[in-house]
Amino acid sequence: AQSVTQLGSHVSVSEGALVLLRCNYSSSVPPYLFWYVQYPNQGLQLLLKYTSAATLVKGINGFEAEFKKSETSFHLTKPSAHMSDAAEYFCAVTSDTGRRALTFGSGTRLQVQP
Amino acid sequence: IAGITQAPTSQILAAGRRMTLRCTQDMRHNAMYWYRQDLGLGLRLIHYSNTAGTTGKGEVPDGYSVSRANTDDFPLTLASAVPSQTSVYFCAKGLAGVGGQETQYFGPGTRLLVL
Repeated sequence: AQSVTQLGSHVSVSEGALVLLRCNYSSSVPPYLFWYVQYPNQGLQLLLKYTSAATLVKGINGFEAEFKKSETSFHLTKPSAHMSDAAEYFCAVTSDTGRRALTFGSGTRLQVQP
Repeated sequence: IAGITQAPTSQILAAGRRMTLRCTQDMRHNAMYWYRQDLGLGLRLIHYSNTAGTTGKGEVPDGYSVSRANTDDFPLTLASAVPSQTSVYFCAKGLAGVGGQETQYFGPGTRLLVL
């Protein structure tokens, strides 16, 4: 069984500040991990993914995430927030065994203050 | 890269009515999925299909059915809608990468209100 926990349903940062969105996962097999972003009234867009090639993954829009197996974490970061980063962010996990459907966290809404 | 469309964009439906949400992809990827999104719950899997002719149940399949007659289309049917099925529905397709790892790409969604 797989699960994802996103700590903090709402995160607010100032423009230019560091963005840190937390994700912890549980998986009985080696996981594949994803971050998706959802802008208001839109679908989900892939930000980045971890597929075991490298533990530090760079994605679009300046975001990156680090896979830490010892901490079962895959936190999303961006050095300097921009107003356009305001959106909801979802962490998800899957594996390459059995059904490959994603298990999602409950999401974190990021607000960026001017 | 999405290449996946959903219809309708939104719908208001009376309880007890039958409704089919349409999902079409244009790149003949094998795997397709239906999720529902509810506030505070993230996205939950309803049904999936690994290839044409096969389907499977997800986390919340009750009240929904799917079919996969061909590779491109994966409709989701609510046989008799109930208010608890008010949600945003997303269709996704799976793109296999190096080593078989799959990445899912999502359609724009259908907003459904059941009264």
